[in-house]
This record gives sequence, C-alpha cells and structure tokens, in this order.
Amino acid sequence: QSVLTQPPSVSAAPGQKVTISCSGSNSNIGNNYVSWYQQLPGTAPKLLIYDSNKRPSGIPDRFSGSKSGTSATLDITGLQTGDEADYYCATWDNSLSAWVFGGGTKVTVL
Amino acid sequence: QVQLVESGGGVVQPGRSLRLSCAASGFTFSSSGMHWVRQAPGKGLEWVAVISYDGSNKYYVDSVKGRFTISRDNSKNTLYLQMNSLRVEDTALYYCAKDRRGGIHGPIDPWGQGTLVTVSS
Repeated sequence: QSVLTQPPSVSAAPGQKVTISCSGSNSNIGNNYVSWYQQLPGTAPKLLIYDSNKRPSGIPDRFSGSKSGTSATLDITGLQTGDEADYYCATWDNSLSAWVFGGGTKVTVL
Repeated sequence: QVQLVESGGGVVQPGRSLRLSCAASGFTFSSSGMHWVRQAPGKGLEWVAVISYDGSNKYYVDSVKGRFTISRDNSKNTLYLQMNSLRVEDTALYYCAKDRRGGIHGPIDPWGQGTLVTVSS
C-alpha cells in the first residue's frame, strides 16, 4: 500500500486527454513539491514534471502538472501512442523523512 | 551529459550480503545528493535511500533500515549501497539516480539503467 494513491490505470483515444490523480497528506504533498515520472516499457523512469508544475527542457507542453492541497494531478493532452507508459508521482514525506512514490498509473491509448 | 552506471547485482541467497556500485560522470558528483530507488519485477517504484553531497545526511525507507547502508566516495565519483541480511522481498532492479538540485529533496533526475538483484535460495 503506497503512501501516495494513484489510479491503477487510465485510458483514452489518440488526441484525447487523460488526467492522473495523486492523493497524499499534509506530511507529503501538502507541504512539498511533487514530481512526476514516465516509465516507458523496459526503460528507466524519466522526469516529466517537477516542483508540481514545471517541465524539464525537452518535455512537450502536452504534459502539465498541478497541485491543490494534498493532491496533485498530471494531465496529458493530445494523447499519442508513444505516451503508453507507467506514470508515477513522488514527493518527500516530512513525517517519514523519506521519499514516497505513488503506486503508478498505466496509461493506455485506445 | 550525466551518466550513471550501476553494477554489482546478481543472485544471492537469503541472509547474505551484496554491495551495489554506481559510477557517475558528466557532473560534479561531490556537489550532488544521490538516491537509490528499486523496482520489484512487475511492480512499482520504491525509493530506498538518499545521501547528501558530503555523506553527512542519510535517509532510508523503513523496510531497509538497519540492513542497508548508503555511502559514497567522492574521490572516485562512486555511490554505493551495502545490502546485508537480504530477503526474498529485496529482489528488484536497483536504480541509482541524481538529485537534480544537488540536495536530497529532489527532484530525482536523471536515473541510471539499473542493476538486478535476485534473492533466492
């Protein structure tokens, strides 16, 4: 059972939008930045969003993040087949003095 | 560019020890916090440990406290994870990763390709 809660899977047709939620608590999301990672099949995770809503250079603006209270959200618009991957949220937990990850969400393009 | 190359994985019996290494290049290693993150087969990511740039601060996930030790040799640009009293549930692909801002509070980026640890009798 992960400290951060994500839906196991989401899906949509090409060109559509998917939203992935990440729910936590005051000890983690509520008081820290959230980062999002994309893991394509058979590859290492890659940073997609940091500081809750910033994109590293090279990440398309189809990917956006937001945070409100103890929850965070990753939006993917203009969905492409190449976006099929597992997506993870993560942040520091002040009570645990540890990083915590969500359980991951598998995105399927129908 | 940043390169992180893990090594030291393998098959080990429960209760035995293993030391992982991560050779870093392409950045000032001695100025950066470093992480270990693992992924059991078919499962999600689990953060394992982080060490500050100078080794003075270390944090661990509860499940490895007292068994695993993270360390670094800044003269060799190398990160280590000493794993003792290994359990079957420690079986995973272990990733080495850099703390993007150099501290320990992330974000965690980039990541190496991982080294596989299998604990089995």
